Amino acid sequence: GAGVSQSPSNKVTEKGKDVELRCDPISGHTALYWYRQSLGQGLEFLIYFQGNSAPDKSGLPSDRFSAERTGGSVSTLTIQRTQQEDSAVYLCASSPTGTSGGPPGELFFGEGSRLTVL
Amino acid sequence: SQQGEEDPQALSIQEGENATMNCSYKTSINNLQWYRQNSGRGLVHLILIRSNEREKHSGRLRVTLDTSKKSSSLLITASRAADTASYFCATAIYNFNKFYFGSGTKLNVKP
Repeated sequence: GAGVSQSPSNKVTEKGKDVELRCDPISGHTALYWYRQSLGQGLEFLIYFQGNSAPDKSGLPSDRFSAERTGGSVSTLTIQRTQQEDSAVYLCASSPTGTSGGPPGELFFGEGSRLTVL
Repeated sequence: SQQGEEDPQALSIQEGENATMNCSYKTSINNLQWYRQNSGRGLVHLILIRSNEREKHSGRLRVTLDTSKKSSSLLITASRAADTASYFCATAIYNFNKFYFGSGTKLNVKP
């Protein structure tokens, strides 16, 4: 597809269950980001992938959160033993590599995965 | 917040009026971007301004950047009801390839 694709668009789960959220970035984009947005709030940085480099995991809120990116393309965000405070919209964005070693430019966002933990 | 904070948190204006939103940040940046988010949807990029630029225009949008004050403003001229959305600034921190977003300004344009 032409844009960033995220699935599922909505996920309702019970407390304590594990969930996986998927992001399919724009083809050729080397940078991939995960953000979390709680209701009516701003975006909280979670993790950043750039090419084959080690990911920047500094925003992951706890060790229940993990993410991987296979083959430099599709990414999966996994939340283990979900808690009610994990309820939020999880947004994925991709970006082409920045020039001259600088930061990537425009971020292209998916529509998000809305997670509700009962 | 780690970085950008928008002001005001909410803004309500009549169609045809101008809307001004401000963003303040804390550390040196490579660039600053503004995004728009319609309710419950993903964010859409509006405009990027680099740290060595002071002003940039795109259609009805005008963005300014004052690095000495660590602040930026987004002006939407001749607003339309369709401009109703939340607007976020995102700062790309110097030497770090990640973006920090503020909590946003919720703009309501009344027809």
